Amino acid sequence: GENVEQHPSTLSVQEGDSAVIKCTYSDSASNYFPWYKQELGKRPQLIIDIRSNVGEKKDQRIAVTLNKTAKHFSLHITETQPEDSAVYFCAASIAYSSASKIIFGSGTRLSIRP
Amino acid sequence: GAGVSQSPSNKVTEKGKDVELRCDPISGHTALYWYRQRLGQGLEFLIYFQGNSAPDKSGLPSDRFSAERTGESVSTLTIQRTQQEDSAVYLCASSPANRVSSYTFGSGTRLTVV
Repeated sequence: GENVEQHPSTLSVQEGDSAVIKCTYSDSASNYFPWYKQELGKRPQLIIDIRSNVGEKKDQRIAVTLNKTAKHFSLHITETQPEDSAVYFCAASIAYSSASKIIFGSGTRLSIRP
Repeated sequence: GAGVSQSPSNKVTEKGKDVELRCDPISGHTALYWYRQRLGQGLEFLIYFQGNSAPDKSGLPSDRFSAERTGESVSTLTIQRTQQEDSAVYLCASSPANRVSSYTFGSGTRLTVV
């Protein structure tokens, strides 16, 4: 089955700097890669996703990149702000499959220093 | 309903007791998933239901854990003879068939075994 590795487990950056979180996956059939943000005591919320037919996707200060050959994908947050502090989870799945589930990485706790 | 509903929101139980956790998915979502999140840890996949197909139970950690779903509605996760290591937040998510991009999480049940 799918296995998703995520690094680093904790990340502290100065407000205004960029943050990068990296993930790898094992199942070459995976074609959908969402990223979730979980604030303290709250449920995970989808912030951005990417499908295997594209290499990069941007949404304001957030971007994701995907290297299918290497089975790597990354989350980039630019101009970080205090409200970006949270735990971020990468994940992998097979979209449009009748037997798919999302497998999550172990999470990255991002702290933004003022 | 408007979102995924889980009950109870908090449950404290004595070691050795059985507990039942409930999940009401979004109406029309045929896929339903259970995850376990221990304090400060990632999202551990437990079980996945998709319509009338046989559930994917590959993530259940032991035979003390079981889950049922009635048609395409409510699901119940049962933990028998609870142990302290079962203490965690149990999250339920649902999505339409073949559309994992529409995964929506419930707010979870915080289980504490004392």
